[in-house]
This record gives sequence, C-alpha cells and structure tokens, in this order.
Amino acid sequence: QVQLVQSGAEVKKPGSSVKVSCKASGGIFNTYAISWVRQAPGQGLEWMGGIIPIFATPNYAQNFQGRVTITADESTSTAYMELSSLRSDDTAVYYCARGPSPPHYYDTNGYPYHFDYWGQGTLVTVSS
Amino acid sequence: EIVLTQSPGTLSLSPGERATLSCRASQSVSSSYLAWYQQRPGQAPRLLIYGASSRATDIPDRFSGSGSGTDFTLTVSRLEPEDFAVYYCQQYGSSPPYTFGQGTKLEIK
Repeated sequence: QVQLVQSGAEVKKPGSSVKVSCKASGGIFNTYAISWVRQAPGQGLEWMGGIIPIFATPNYAQNFQGRVTITADESTSTAYMELSSLRSDDTAVYYCARGPSPPHYYDTNGYPYHFDYWGQGTLVTVSS
Repeated sequence: EIVLTQSPGTLSLSPGERATLSCRASQSVSSSYLAWYQQRPGQAPRLLIYGASSRATDIPDRFSGSGSGTDFTLTVSRLEPEDFAVYYCQQYGSSPPYTFGQGTKLEIK
C-alpha cells in the first residue's frame, strides 16, 4: 500500500521561497511519476508539475514555469516541490499525488492517467 | 488545453435521493483518461472513478460513472450522509498533462 507523507505547514513572507517534501513508502518509487497539485482556499485543484525520479527531468505546468522546481531523492524515496517568489495568492494547500500500482493506466513516459494516492496536504500561508 | 466544465456548481439534495453530476470537456477526451474524485472538508481528494466508469478500490457501488467524448456523468444512486462533499472530474491530456473541473458541491437540502 502506497503512503505519501508530506512535511508540515509553513508561513512565508512575500518574495521568499518554500520547499515542501513528500516521502513515499510502499510501491515503486523510481520509475513512476509523482505530481504536485495545489488548492487555493475555497478553490479547485490545479496540477503544478511532476517528476519521474529515475529520469530526474521534471514536467511543469505553464502557469508555474520559472517559479517551481520539483526534485526527487531516490535514496530516501522523497519528492520535493520548491516554489519561489511567493505571493499572497500562492497561499494554498499543496498535495503530492501518485498513480495506481503499475503497469496499467500509465502513459509511455510513466505519468498516470489518474491519481490513486495523495499526501495529506501541506498548507503554505504567504503573509507579510 | 482541454477545459473541463462541471455542472451544477452546487447541488442540494436529501439523503436517499439520486445525484447526477456533469463534466463537459472542451474537446473530446478518451474515456480511459477521465476520472472523478471526492473531497471532504479538510481532506485530500479521494479517487472514486477512473477510466470514466471503473470504481476505485473500496468505493461503494452506489457510485457510478458514465459517458464518452465530451460528456461525462457521475451518479450517486442513493445519497448517504457521508456523500455530501465536493466532486471533481479530471482528465489526462498532453499539455498540460492534467486538468480538473472547477468542482460540484453536493450539499444537504
């Protein structure tokens, strides 16, 4: 059974950066994507980007290009999402998410068609 | 980018009633790539339906999904108190790989 455990809540100043971690246990970590999804207060879900740890080449949504950096540490089965130049509208809950147990429902690059497993979420508050 | 539009925005029903939620795509979506999630307050989303019509593990059979092309539906046959939540559809595409609908809030009437 896959479990994703995220780091705790953060309070940041505008203009600073935040780095959120997501530790995976169970299942295969290296060869299938972990994604990051954010949810502003009272709003919907927005995919930010993902990474397949063994390739270490992230895929970012256009809305976040240039401000987000997603990395993964295979030795600890942990993925990271760093968001820079924080603004008040970056205040949100940030989730990591993974697909089902492979190989079904994955594209040829290792990205799942849907997300079976979610972290508990990390609230990032940006306030002066 | 494929845009998913969910309707209605809010659905007010009573326990025991049937709920029908709609998700319309701006372009055709393969059924394999359409999923539904439930999100209760303060919780992470939970996968309900994948491949447009397959129930995820441990999801009760009162939840069902249907549709193809640009029109997809999530049906809850008889609402239980724990079903009142927000529901999102999601599609897998090319760029960006994933988009979500804006959500339908299912509230107790």
